[in-house]
Amino acid sequence: DIQMTQSPSFLSASVGERVTLSCRASQNINKYLDWYQQKLGEAPKLLIYNTNNLHTGIPSRFSGSGSGTDYTLTISSLQPEDVATYFCLQRNSWPDTFGAGTKLELK
Amino acid sequence: EVQLVESGGGLVQPGRSLKLSCAASGFTFSNYYMAWVRQAPTKGLEWVASITNSGGSTYYRDSVKGRFTISRDNAKSTLYLQMDSLRSEDTATYYCTRGLRMVRSFAYWGQGTLVTVSS
Repeated sequence: DIQMTQSPSFLSASVGERVTLSCRASQNINKYLDWYQQKLGEAPKLLIYNTNNLHTGIPSRFSGSGSGTDYTLTISSLQPEDVATYFCLQRNSWPDTFGAGTKLELK
Repeated sequence: EVQLVESGGGLVQPGRSLKLSCAASGFTFSNYYMAWVRQAPTKGLEWVASITNSGGSTYYRDSVKGRFTISRDNAKSTLYLQMDSLRSEDTATYYCTRGLRMVRSFAYWGQGTLVTVSS
């Protein structure tokens, strides 16, 4: 199975700050990488698919990049409603595997 | 509006069975890849099983292979997960998810149904 490692596990940032979350795969995943946001008590929500495609209705402050084994989710200007846990997911090969998540909090 | 509503969760003893359902609305069900994803209490996300839009192909994680069966009824716009020989480690909230056209991301999620396996 492909292992997905997210860093950092916890991140504290201020409103308006630019935030970068990372995800590293144990092997090349050919940009089949998604990002999901899960707020406390809610179901996860798709933010970005195939590395850099913004899902319908997702604010443009979210963006994704990467290739090979290294991928990044960037929030250009952190908003209070962005407090959540963020998960990456690889879909390059079965089984689909999630990272353990990055918990994002407000400073 | 895409809606996915799971049902069928509950408390079940180890070794017993449970069948989850997911009623879909707001889109043409037969056009989309569907999947189940679970989350153990206070833990991360884990893909469980997937099924193509026609139901012709199914995929499972190793830990549920031979015990769980994913299926769909396109006439009823309903997704199912038959869970047999349940174990304590299957305890989780189970989410029904829908893909995008030609992309099998988990684009839409239900609210989840909690399955607790305990004696």
